[in-house]
Amino acid sequence: AQKITQTQPGMFVQEKEAVTLDCTYDTSDQSYGLFWYKQPSSGEMIFLIYQGSYDEQNATEGRYSLNFQKARKSANLVISASQLGDSAMYFCAMRGGTGNQFYFGTGTSLTVIP
Amino acid sequence: AAGVIQSPRHLIKEKRETATLKCYPIPRHDTVYWYQQGPGQDPQFLISFYEKMQSDKGSIPDRFSAQQFSDYHSELNMSSLELGDSALYFCASSADRGTYNEQFFGPGTRLTVL
Repeated sequence: AQKITQTQPGMFVQEKEAVTLDCTYDTSDQSYGLFWYKQPSSGEMIFLIYQGSYDEQNATEGRYSLNFQKARKSANLVISASQLGDSAMYFCAMRGGTGNQFYFGTGTSLTVIP
Repeated sequence: AAGVIQSPRHLIKEKRETATLKCYPIPRHDTVYWYQQGPGQDPQFLISFYEKMQSDKGSIPDRFSAQQFSDYHSELNMSSLELGDSALYFCASSADRGTYNEQFFGPGTRLTVL
């Protein structure tokens, strides 16, 4: 079974600072995908970044980077130069299982302070 | 670019009524997933379809049923609605069931049961 753990219910960061959102996972699959999604108060799920289990390099998408440590089963999201618009709920998710559906963590609510 | 379309966006129903949620995947996407996100919770996988056949089943109540039609759109039918069914219902589509492929989420249908 797949399990995603996000241990930070809420985080605060000063505008223009960097912030790391933690995510650990558990799976017996050899091949899996790890994703981060942003959910603003309006509710939509916005894809941020993806890391494949066989990717040797950490994924990067603009201000987002994923710190992937396979041996520790962690996939932390780093947001650099935080902006007020980054305030939202952030979900870590794993794609796996028999139907390759998503398994989500409980989310981290990020608030960017001006 | 075309995105996943969900209708309606908002729905208010009384207890014991029925509801039908519709999802139109991105063109040429053959896989559809349904998720339920209760207030303050992470999305939970309900059911998925691949090439019009049910692919996998998650925590979908027996009162709910779903299908994927020949044009690949999907409908989630919910009967005997309960207060606890109030949630945001997401549909997601992908080009195949591969682990490495992103799922594209629709904007969600917010169901309120009174």
